[in-house]
Amino acid sequence: GQSLEQPSEVTAVEGAIVQINCTYQTSGFYGLSWYQQHDGGAPTFLSYNALDGLEETGRFSSFLSRSDSYGYLLLQELQMKDSASYFCAVSANDMRFGAGTRLTVKP
Amino acid sequence: GAVVSQHPSWVICKSGTSVKIECRSLDFQATTMFWYRQFPKQSLMLMATSNEGSKATYEQGVEKDKFLINHASLTLSTLTVTSAHPEDSSFYICSARDNRGLNEQFFGPGTRLTVL
Repeated sequence: GQSLEQPSEVTAVEGAIVQINCTYQTSGFYGLSWYQQHDGGAPTFLSYNALDGLEETGRFSSFLSRSDSYGYLLLQELQMKDSASYFCAVSANDMRFGAGTRLTVKP
Repeated sequence: GAVVSQHPSWVICKSGTSVKIECRSLDFQATTMFWYRQFPKQSLMLMATSNEGSKATYEQGVEKDKFLINHASLTLSTLTVTSAHPEDSSFYICSARDNRGLNEQFFGPGTRLTVL
């Protein structure tokens, strides 16, 4: 089976840096994805790591260590609009989501 | 590229009726599509894997006779909620796997179903 662990809530202030960790157990692995979801909306794709290392896209970066079954999403220069739920997801034969991390950015 | 559409975006129906939701990959072919359900403040739960030209694979606890899935072409999968009840009210999201490259999945915008 598959399981993913990520923190349920994180709070930070504007301009700060936040790291959301994700550990996973899976049989078969293509890659680790991160999605952002605002209340009432569909998940939107943020990043996908198939190989070890850091992927940077603007203020967001994602890291993967396949040997440690671990990844993280790094959000820099936080803005109020970044308040949302963030899901890590493992791709194997299908895609399974973690329970989500609710990020609250305060002024 | 890699756009997935869903129709309708929202639907309200009476208890006992059936509702069909369409999922289309607009600019790529998808032999595999996935259907998820999300209740408020919860994560996306995989309901079933839809394979073009064959029967869908349902997750444990998901009734295949209630949630009918048809994947008749490489760009279209449909989910029909039969005899809907208020407890079926949820956000239904599909995704399509792009088999080119890194097997990424792209999500549709979701369909909000409300059963009265």
